[in-house]
Amino acid sequence: DAGVIQSPRHEVTEMGQEVTLRCKPISGHNSLFWYRQTMMRGLELLIYFNNNVPIDDSGMPEDRFSAKMPNASFSTLKIQPSEPRDSAVYFCASRRGAETQYFGPGTRLLVL
Amino acid sequence: QKEVEQNSGPLSVPEGAIASLNCTYSDRGSQSFFWYRQYSGKSPELIMFIYSNGDKEDGRFTAQLNKASQYVSLLIRDSQPSDSATYLCAVNGPSGATNKLIFGTGTLLAVQP
Repeated sequence: DAGVIQSPRHEVTEMGQEVTLRCKPISGHNSLFWYRQTMMRGLELLIYFNNNVPIDDSGMPEDRFSAKMPNASFSTLKIQPSEPRDSAVYFCASRRGAETQYFGPGTRLLVL
Repeated sequence: QKEVEQNSGPLSVPEGAIASLNCTYSDRGSQSFFWYRQYSGKSPELIMFIYSNGDKEDGRFTAQLNKASQYVSLLIRDSQPSDSATYLCAVNGPSGATNKLIFGTGTLLAVQP
């Protein structure tokens, strides 16, 4: 059974460019979470979806960040325009009901 | 005060010893507590969860919860070099938002052979 799939695994871009991160949750899981991890701030929840509906986006840092979940098997996190301070590892996680969250491998983003 | 606090470490223990990792949390309404292990360059993986006061054992791992003191700990017995990783404490909440997990910044554990 495939785990959470994220793409790309690595992204290097220049300041001002648009960045799109993608996530495919585990089949059958109805909640999806986007996290950002940095050395200084640790693992922070950005937004989570339940049954494809955004429930809490209070962790989204600013309007440059947006997330969508058009269907149960796909979600995107977009940063436009990107800035150097957005450099981090972005994780997607999914779970079924109240069960354990399973994390994807992450996307390492570097904004120059 | 941070919602979930951990000592960043590194915590260095010799192989075979007991490693003790600690975590405090601020929201008294939190009901669920988790320990994740994260190897360098990898994603977090769940190793233990605990809901009730007291101890919960799983193999070499024991989670301890004291809600009155708002304190969670993880004990690793017979520590192995392969246990060297960052251990993240996570707490659900805040109250009313039980789907959310709030993570501490993690404690780096180094087990010396």
